[in-house]
Amino acid sequence: EADIYQTPRYLVIGTGKKITLECSQTMGHDKMYWYQQDPGMELHLIHYSYGVNSTEKGDLSSESTVSRIRTEHFPLTLESARPSHTSQYLCASRGTNYGYTFGSGTRLTVV
Amino acid sequence: DAKTTQPPSMDCAEGRAANLPCNHSTISGNEYVYWYRQIHSQGPQYIIHGLKNNETNEMASLIITEDRKSSTLILPHATLRDTAVYYCIVLNTGFQKLVFGTGTRLLVSP
Repeated sequence: EADIYQTPRYLVIGTGKKITLECSQTMGHDKMYWYQQDPGMELHLIHYSYGVNSTEKGDLSSESTVSRIRTEHFPLTLESARPSHTSQYLCASRGTNYGYTFGSGTRLTVV
Repeated sequence: DAKTTQPPSMDCAEGRAANLPCNHSTISGNEYVYWYRQIHSQGPQYIIHGLKNNETNEMASLIITEDRKSSTLILPHATLRDTAVYYCIVLNTGFQKLVFGTGTRLLVSP
């Protein structure tokens, strides 16, 4: 049973639409992360959070934004989707002993 | 941040042991070696981790050299479902950003 949940699993959306990718974890982890991955390519960190009300940009520039109002919830928002945003988005949280736990990902296609 | 070096790809016959090497020559004393794998663009899956002693769990064994500059992940009896990209990463408890390299693409064949 997954301890970190991402919805939707797949999303096809038109250019210019606003979308929010959901990520929730039930482990009480303070640290949460968003990664972007194109098919067959490396994972790139785009946002992370140390805890409630803490958000930071990652190593890869992204036009998305995140919020962390509750420990268990770390949604990612694109205000105006473009075809260049087509990618897979992976959410993760970090515990102290076992490194990172990843969600199943959201595969986004912007047409 | 310690970096790791892995071969880009490896092949293994089904039922044989798969030995995946990783070089982490700049690892610090408080950094752990973690292994993850990613199957067909699913979220990466934790496999095993260790500090300096060899470790074994139901999925794999981790052998870390005495100088800690390299390690080997061993899948003792590889199956077709072990075909994946395997990532070797070094982390400490204060490390905030997990940086993935390109990993090793393991292909298990019948």
